[in-house]
Amino acid sequence: EAGVTQSPTHLIKTRGQQVTLRCSPISGHTSVYWYQQALGLGLQFLLWYDEGEERNRGNFPPRFSGRQFPNYSSELNVNALELEDSALYLCASSSGQGATNEKLFFGSGTQLSVL
Amino acid sequence: GENVEQHPSTLSVQEGDSAVIKCTYSDSASNYFPWYKQELGKRPQLIIDIRSNVGEKKDQRIAVTLNKTAKHFSLHITETQPEDSAVYFCAATSSAGGTSYGKLTFGQGTILTVHP
Repeated sequence: EAGVTQSPTHLIKTRGQQVTLRCSPISGHTSVYWYQQALGLGLQFLLWYDEGEERNRGNFPPRFSGRQFPNYSSELNVNALELEDSALYLCASSSGQGATNEKLFFGSGTQLSVL
Repeated sequence: GENVEQHPSTLSVQEGDSAVIKCTYSDSASNYFPWYKQELGKRPQLIIDIRSNVGEKKDQRIAVTLNKTAKHFSLHITETQPEDSAVYFCAATSSAGGTSYGKLTFGQGTILTVHP
């Protein structure tokens, strides 16, 4: 069974540009979570999607947005990139069913560098 | 919202020793507390979790304890091995409504180094 897959693995952008990161959850999982992991810091919650809807978002500015598609894959969009957006962006999935106390399966992440 | 504090930030032990990592949380509605291990350059993976109706849980060399009154939980690793070297993250979440719903809040991580 394939795990959570993310693309691209690495990305280099310049300030002010826009970026789209992609995530495919484990088959059968309906919930997708996005986390930002900056160097030396923990995982900061960005967004949670379940059944195509945004269920919760973390304390990030509106230029961080995303969506979930009917096949449960998800995109994370970041507009007007800033230097401090440089981080590893991790996607995770779970079986959802409205529960939040479930094991998350993480992807390998997209390493974003903003120059 | 939820706030999770994790200590220590780094922990160095000799092979065979025990390691203890402690976390405190702020939201009394939190009822699920997982621990994730992240090896260098790899994805975080769940190693053990505990729910609020349980005070302790063990899985071979690892155990987690929860004190709901004090709002803290701890990870215990016994007979440490070099392959236990990694970053460990505690986390907390609530299945109740509100701003913490579905939001797994992580601690800042503990870098565990086990010396052979």
